[in-house]
Amino acid sequence: ETGVTQSPTHLIKTRGQQVTLRCSSQSGHNTVSWYQQALGQGPQFIFQYYREEENGRGNFPPRFSGLQFPNYSSELNVNALELDDSALYLCASSRLLAGAYEQYFGPGTRLTVT
Amino acid sequence: GDSVTQMEGPVTLSEEAFLTINCTYTATGYPSLFWYVQYPGEGLQLLLKATKADDKGSNKGFEATYRKETTSFHLEKGSVQVSDSAVYFCALSTLENTGTASKLTFGTGTRLQVTL
Repeated sequence: ETGVTQSPTHLIKTRGQQVTLRCSSQSGHNTVSWYQQALGQGPQFIFQYYREEENGRGNFPPRFSGLQFPNYSSELNVNALELDDSALYLCASSRLLAGAYEQYFGPGTRLTVT
Repeated sequence: GDSVTQMEGPVTLSEEAFLTINCTYTATGYPSLFWYVQYPGEGLQLLLKATKADDKGSNKGFEATYRKETTSFHLEKGSVQVSDSAVYFCALSTLENTGTASKLTFGTGTRLQVTL
């Protein structure tokens, strides 16, 4: 079973630019979630996609947007980058097992905004 | 809203010592509880889970019991190894009306350092 993959691994952008991060879900998982993890903090929920539609959103502004494709891969887009957007961005796909949804995380994309 | 509180780190232990990392939660529904581990430079790995009161999750020598009366899910291991050095996150999740998983709400993480 292939795990969750993310690309790129690292990225450096300038304030005001736009960025697209990509995620390939684990086979058979139809739900994908994105999280932002600032240095030394726990991950914060950005949004979730289920069957190609947004299915929940955290406290992030609209310049954070996403897509989910029919093959359950996903993108996270961030417009007008700010310095505080520097973080590890984690993608997680979900499966239902024994009465609970387990979320499996990719290795993350480290975004640095200068 | 939902929240998770973990004990502050870092926790420094000698190899073979007993580990406890405290975790308490607040949730409006009836959550599932998780422990995730993050090794340096990596993403999160699911360590164990529990879905209902008095359930005990276990994996790789780690255990945690879902205590509804005290809203706690403390992580324990009887004998830690140097390879257990990592950051440990307690988290909760509830099912949405759509039948899909809600977001994971994480604690701030507890760094564990095990020395020889």
